[in-house]
Amino acid sequence: SQQGEEDPQALSIQEGENATMNCSYKTSINNLQWYRQNSGRGLVHLILIRSNEREKHSGRLRVTLDTSKKSSSLLITASRAADTASYFCVFGGSYIPTFGRGTSLIVHP
Amino acid sequence: NAGVTQTPKFQVLKTGQSMTLQCAQDMNHEYMSWYRQDPGMGLRLIHYSVGAGITDQGEVPNGYNVSRSTTEDFPLRLLSAAPSQTSVYFCASKPGQGLAGELFFGEGSRLTVL
Repeated sequence: SQQGEEDPQALSIQEGENATMNCSYKTSINNLQWYRQNSGRGLVHLILIRSNEREKHSGRLRVTLDTSKKSSSLLITASRAADTASYFCVFGGSYIPTFGRGTSLIVHP
Repeated sequence: NAGVTQTPKFQVLKTGQSMTLQCAQDMNHEYMSWYRQDPGMGLRLIHYSVGAGITDQGEVPNGYNVSRSTTEDFPLRLLSAAPSQTSVYFCASKPGQGLAGELFFGEGSRLTVL
C-alpha cells in the first residue's frame, strides 16, 4: 500500500513557537490519527479525527482534515522542548493502517 | 496494568538463525499487530490478528510467521534471519477488530542480523 506523505520531513523551531506538520494520503479513509514517537520509544496516540469531522482540538493540539484534498494538518501551539519527537499520521479504511514517513520536530529551549 | 510488553529489547542474530520476538498485552484487546520501522520510514505492517486463532498478512509479511493461540500473546517468528530484517520491531494492540480507535504500542525490539 502507498505510504502517506508528510511534510516537512524535519522542522526546527524555538520554544514558544507554533509547529505545523502536514499529511497527505491517496485512499478513502474512515479516520486519521496522529501519533508521537520519542527517540527510541514506541508510538503514543495523540488524536483521532473522523472522516466527517473537519477540525478537532486536544489541549495544545489542533488537527484539521480536508477529505476533498486528502490531507490533514497537525498544529502544536506554544511548543515546548518536551515536544521534540517524530510525529506520524496514520490512516486506513481496513485492517491495514498506513503510516506516513513522519515529521521530525526539534524544539530548541 | 503493563500495557503492551515486548521482549527482548535488543537482539543480534547471525544470518540463517531463527528467533521469536514476544509480545504480550494485558488489556484484553482483540486486535494485535507487528510492524517494522526502518530509518527514515514510517511503520510498515508485517502481520496482524483480529482475535485468537485468526491471523493475516500485512504489507511486508515475507520471512515472518505469527500465531495467536491466546488473546494476550502474539509472537513474531523469524525462521531464517536475513540482514534485510535488521530493523526495529513494534507490537501494537487495540480493542475491537476494526481500524477505528487508538493503537497501543510496545517499546520496540531492536534486531540486528549480521
